[in-house]
Amino acid sequence: GDSVTQMEGPVTLSEEAFLTINCTYTATGYPSLFWYVQYPGEGLQLLLKATKADDKGSNKGFEATYRKETTSFHLEKGSVQVSDSAVYFCAHSYNFNKFYFGSGTKLNVKP
Amino acid sequence: DVKVTQSSRYLVKRTGEKVFLECVQDMDHENMFWYRQDPGLGLRLIYFSYDVKMKEKGDIPEGYSVSREKKERFSLILESASTNQTSMYLCASSDRLAGKETQYFGPGTRLLVL
Repeated sequence: GDSVTQMEGPVTLSEEAFLTINCTYTATGYPSLFWYVQYPGEGLQLLLKATKADDKGSNKGFEATYRKETTSFHLEKGSVQVSDSAVYFCAHSYNFNKFYFGSGTKLNVKP
Repeated sequence: DVKVTQSSRYLVKRTGEKVFLECVQDMDHENMFWYRQDPGLGLRLIYFSYDVKMKEKGDIPEGYSVSREKKERFSLILESASTNQTSMYLCASSDRLAGKETQYFGPGTRLLVL
């Protein structure tokens, strides 16, 4: 069935380090792919999305490329900041009523 | 900006109580959702609604019911709260148009059942 698998955390990095959070998905069709971010004490916010193969979503220095051949949507950022500390969720959806979320990856960025 | 609001940020209830969680969105979205979020399990869909008075079960509907009498409001009801329903509850809404199906989330309600 449909699912999303993302790397377990927590991930701890020093400020300005390179970030990768892996995400792979299983889907019966060709879904849209999303990364959401949840800051402490808040709900989820859309970070970026991609709707078709080879699309790259980007926002706030984060980016992810829709790789159909590897069913992946890895999140990357070249230089993380303390303010990026949050929980990151990968998700996919191929109809309007059903989203599949990963279990979340907590990122801690140390000064 | 889309705004999704939830009636309470924190709630403490006793086992057996009937609990109402309210969610309101201001963007005229057709779809609304209730999730619960638990450590290590991510988000799990409880119920969703794609129109007024319409609802469909999600992955974990047992022990919950919902009500959608108006387009902007979606209520989650715990008929008889139990300790295993202690969790963070997140409401979301989305448009139905192709390409606009991004879900927008409220801040969450952290429920403790004693």
